[in-house]
Amino acid sequence: KAGVTQTPRYLIKTRGQQVTLSCSPISGHRSVSWYQQTPGQGLQFLFEYFSETQRNKGNFPGRFSGRQFSNSRSEMNVSTLELGDSALYLCASSPGDRELHQPQHFGDGTRLSIL
Amino acid sequence: AQKITQTQPGMFVQEKEAVTLDCTYDTSDQSYGLFWYKQPSSGEMIFLIYQGSYDEQNATEGRYSLNFQKARKSANLVISASQLGDSAMYFCAMREVRNYGGSQGNLIFGKGTKLSVKP
Repeated sequence: KAGVTQTPRYLIKTRGQQVTLSCSPISGHRSVSWYQQTPGQGLQFLFEYFSETQRNKGNFPGRFSGRQFSNSRSEMNVSTLELGDSALYLCASSPGDRELHQPQHFGDGTRLSIL
Repeated sequence: AQKITQTQPGMFVQEKEAVTLDCTYDTSDQSYGLFWYKQPSSGEMIFLIYQGSYDEQNATEGRYSLNFQKARKSANLVISASQLGDSAMYFCAMREVRNYGGSQGNLIFGKGTKLSVKP
């Protein structure tokens, strides 16, 4: 079974630009979550999508948005990029059955650098 | 207050020895799940082991085991017979039922412990 695939692996952008990151979950997984990882703040939850609907959201500004398609693939968009948005963005998928014990399976991440 | 506390920013262990990575958590929920992940320098988060709050036995998975002390709210990861490939960041994470609402519940992560295995 293929794992979670994130593209691209690396991105370099400048302040004010916008960026779109992509995530393909494990086949059969319907829940996709996004996390931001920085040295200072660690891993922080951005949002979760299930069946094309956002059903959980972290404490990030509205510049961070996402969506999920009917095939469960998800995209995350960040508009008006700031230097502080430089981070590793991790996507995780799970079956989405609301089972407490279900782990989330992560992709390799997209490393975003803002110049 | 931090929900997940990992007090060891860095740890060294000799190859083939055992090592314990500490994790304490804070929750008022009765039902919750605890996870450990490994993150090599490549960036991918690899799921290692799970412990449920109602599980009576400590979880084990190959060379990984969890020392779960519910009253102390601690869930320490024990890696036996360390290997050079175990060198990585290790994260403790928790999922609370209260996070569910309409969702499965996101994971809350600690800051991590960097483990270095010496040959």
